[in-house]
Amino acid sequence: EVQLVESGGGLIQPGGSLRLSCAASGLTVSSSYMSWVRQAPGKGLERVSITYSDGTTFYADSVKGRFTISRDNSKNTLYLQMNSLRAEDTAVYYCARDRNTKIAVAEYWYFDLWGRGTLVTVSS
Amino acid sequence: DIQMTQSPSSLSASVGDRVTITCRASQSISSHLNWYQQKPGKAPKLLIYAASSLQSGVPLRFSGSGSGTEFTLTISSLQREDFATYYCQQSYTAYTFGQGTKLEIK
Repeated sequence: EVQLVESGGGLIQPGGSLRLSCAASGLTVSSSYMSWVRQAPGKGLERVSITYSDGTTFYADSVKGRFTISRDNSKNTLYLQMNSLRAEDTAVYYCARDRNTKIAVAEYWYFDLWGRGTLVTVSS
Repeated sequence: DIQMTQSPSSLSASVGDRVTITCRASQSISSHLNWYQQKPGKAPKLLIYAASSLQSGVPLRFSGSGSGTEFTLTISSLQREDFATYYCQQSYTAYTFGQGTKLEIK
């Protein structure tokens, strides 16, 4: 079965650090485009980071300089290192796979696989 | 950033109803528009990609249309399991989501 399982969330004080993990099975993280998407309580969805199969990374402005996405190919696991956490980082964090389909001459990208999420609460 | 605006923000409907949700982009995104369904406590689930392509395993009562800046998600005959929150998402440049449409039972 193809699945993603997040872990590592919890309660952390403002200014603290946390590392989230996303263990993959049935797919190879190293050859996939993988993202972290968060959802604040009662709010919408925001992609915070993506890592491409060539190792290129991208961060949303809201987390740039504080969060780092990485992967361990030997463990087939994606990570999100979160430093200098703020109250506004409180959210459920999902890992998700980016896929694309080519239709005519265009490539269309979407999230086709999501984990169940892990809750990060930043509070004193 | 491209802003995505969904309407309505919430909607009450009955089993068997035909429902349409609209998503507007702040600039043209061609057909780079996806729709997701999210139930409480669960991850989003992909329904439609490329504006109108049905994801494998998604019931045929779901359909998407539109291009440029205006898109719609239609559920032809609501089933009980369809009551959820629906999000549009553009993948034209970076990714941004709409604010969601909560579909509730009337």
